[in-house]
Amino acid sequence: DGGITQSPKYLFRKEGQNVTLSCEQNLNHDAMYWYRQDPGQGLRLIYYSQIVNDFQKGDIAEGYSVSREKKESFPLTVTSAQKNPTAFYLCASSIVGTGVYEQYFGPGTRLTVT
Amino acid sequence: GENVEQHPSTLSVQEGDSAVIKCTYSDSASNYFPWYKQELGKRPQLIIDIRSNVGEKKDQRIAVTLNKTAKHFSLHITETQPEDSAVYFCAASTDSWGKLQFGAGTQVVVTP
Repeated sequence: DGGITQSPKYLFRKEGQNVTLSCEQNLNHDAMYWYRQDPGQGLRLIYYSQIVNDFQKGDIAEGYSVSREKKESFPLTVTSAQKNPTAFYLCASSIVGTGVYEQYFGPGTRLTVT
Repeated sequence: GENVEQHPSTLSVQEGDSAVIKCTYSDSASNYFPWYKQELGKRPQLIIDIRSNVGEKKDQRIAVTLNKTAKHFSLHITETQPEDSAVYFCAASTDSWGKLQFGAGTQVVVTP
């Protein structure tokens, strides 16, 4: 089912707790991305990484952190500093080459913070 | 940075009719314009894309047109079917490798 997996599918946390969302890909893609999806707002980029041990902030990075220690993995931590963390989180990956290439999305994690 | 606006936000069409979704972008350096389809509860999937050196691209019932001068691009779906019901996202990229700016999405409902 696509080669990019996210776990868990649903996640519930209490306010004030940090939570880490998993994203793994076996597509041998160099680039990986995290998006947040809210109703009526499309996909907003949180963080992205072109290569292992390097990543950049996207449009809405505040309250989030990432790591890229392995090519296959790009975990996202939603910290207690994120003011409105309840959302649907999508991870994606793509090859890096000359030009822009298709992004392949994972199935997503729906995070609910109460 | 790049800003992508997408219209309409919802679109209801009769089965067999055509559907058109329009997007405008702000950065004239944008050079790649993909369209993604997201069915309810599923991941977004690429359905068609176009690069800035091409004005139109077609794949069966789906076509995309690009007007670089006006900075807008459109998705056309002909002979719509119930399975075309989904949310469609346009996007644009100015980067040389992959970072995308997405539109807000269009909910398409095809009624029998």
